[in-house]
Amino acid sequence: AQSVTQLGSHVSVSEGALVLLRCNYSSSVPPYLFWYVQYPNQGLQLLLKYTSAATLVKGINGFEAEFKKSETSFHLTKPSAHMSDAAEYFCAVTRGSNFGNEKLTFGTGTRLTIIP
Amino acid sequence: EAGVVQSPRYKIIEKKQPVAFWCNPISGHNTLYWYLQNLGQGPELLIRYENEEAVDDSQLPKDRFSAERLKGVDSTLKIQPAELGDSAVYLCASSPDTMGTGELFFGEGSRLTVL
Repeated sequence: AQSVTQLGSHVSVSEGALVLLRCNYSSSVPPYLFWYVQYPNQGLQLLLKYTSAATLVKGINGFEAEFKKSETSFHLTKPSAHMSDAAEYFCAVTRGSNFGNEKLTFGTGTRLTIIP
Repeated sequence: EAGVVQSPRYKIIEKKQPVAFWCNPISGHNTLYWYLQNLGQGPELLIRYENEEAVDDSQLPKDRFSAERLKGVDSTLKIQPAELGDSAVYLCASSPDTMGTGELFFGEGSRLTVL
């Protein structure tokens, strides 16, 4: 079975500071990994995904994540936080490649607060 | 291109009443998912459809929950009777192919409050 663990349910950073949201995964086969963002009262929107190509993945709104197999991690970063980044962020995993469109398994989420 | 459409956005009912949620996926997306999101938690899969076939309903509480996807397009999720613990957001998502790119496209969700 696949699972993800998000370290820190709440993260606060100052505007302009580095954003680092942590995600560690567990998977019995090579995974596909995702970061989704959820703004208040909205659905989930894909930020970026890793599907076994480049290990450094760039997404929307200046976010990026690096797949590190040795550390079983897929941390999300952004060099400079903006007020509009305040939201809930979810890491998710699925079995990749030949396993079809199986479910995404989500972490419990990290609420990001930006301090003016 | 229109996104995943869900209705109603908000629903308040008393316990023991029935409730139904509707989802229209992105055109051409064969796979449809219903997820449950409790407050402060990540989404959890309830049921997954490939066209009109429910291929994973292992997490659906079948004593009170039911779902259907007639003609492999729109889907309805029903709860009867609702319990206090069913208060949550019900998310519908769809994906474009069966070969596992993994990306899901989500609707805005239906927020249920059971009093």
